[in-house]
Amino acid sequence: GAVVSQHPSRVICKSGTSVKIECRSLDFQATTMFWYRQFPKKSLMLMATSNEGSKATYEQGVEKDKFLINHASLTLSTLTVTSAHPEDSSFYICSASFVGIYNEQFFGPGTRLTVL
Amino acid sequence: KNEVEQSPQNLTAQEGEFITINCSYSVGISALHWLQQHPGGGIVSLFMLSSGKKKHGRLIATINIQEKHSSLHITASHPRDSAVYICAVTSTLGRLYFGRGTQLTVWP
Repeated sequence: GAVVSQHPSRVICKSGTSVKIECRSLDFQATTMFWYRQFPKKSLMLMATSNEGSKATYEQGVEKDKFLINHASLTLSTLTVTSAHPEDSSFYICSASFVGIYNEQFFGPGTRLTVL
Repeated sequence: KNEVEQSPQNLTAQEGEFITINCSYSVGISALHWLQQHPGGGIVSLFMLSSGKKKHGRLIATINIQEKHSSLHITASHPRDSAVYICAVTSTLGRLYFGRGTQLTVWP
């Protein structure tokens, strides 16, 4: 099946710094990538949907200036958590879908962010 | 109310037992996904189905579109099956909704 990678898998940073998380589709072109956040013992929460070459669509309550999403190519989307704070500590997961096969989604392994 | 409800929330089984996890949803869907999340967080997609039944090894997933219900079955469960199993649906409008997950623990 299709493979989606995320980097880094874990990151620890100081409060106030920015962290970039990469999501790559390794063997297919993903026109749409999704970013999710998961709090402990909670279900995944969609943060934003990004289509290659256009601005991301953010879910209600997600700060666009806080969580910067860039989808510059068909194989790479990045999520930058700007001026991170301890409450941003969470598990961030991306998923990617094929051109024209919207309901087939492939999930990345996730990135554990800890902000001290 | 969550668009996707799973039961049970927690499930403990002895190695070798047959396990069933249930998922009900309230939106119109184009696909239903079963995901597995191991400790440490990585998510693996087990099944995507829109009708009928799929089998992969010891895992079986079924869906009843009329009843808006899906089940994930694990035959001959093993301790390595211990994980959180998440049901998710892609709505006909293209949105993905997740259940809260079922924590499965299989004891040797």
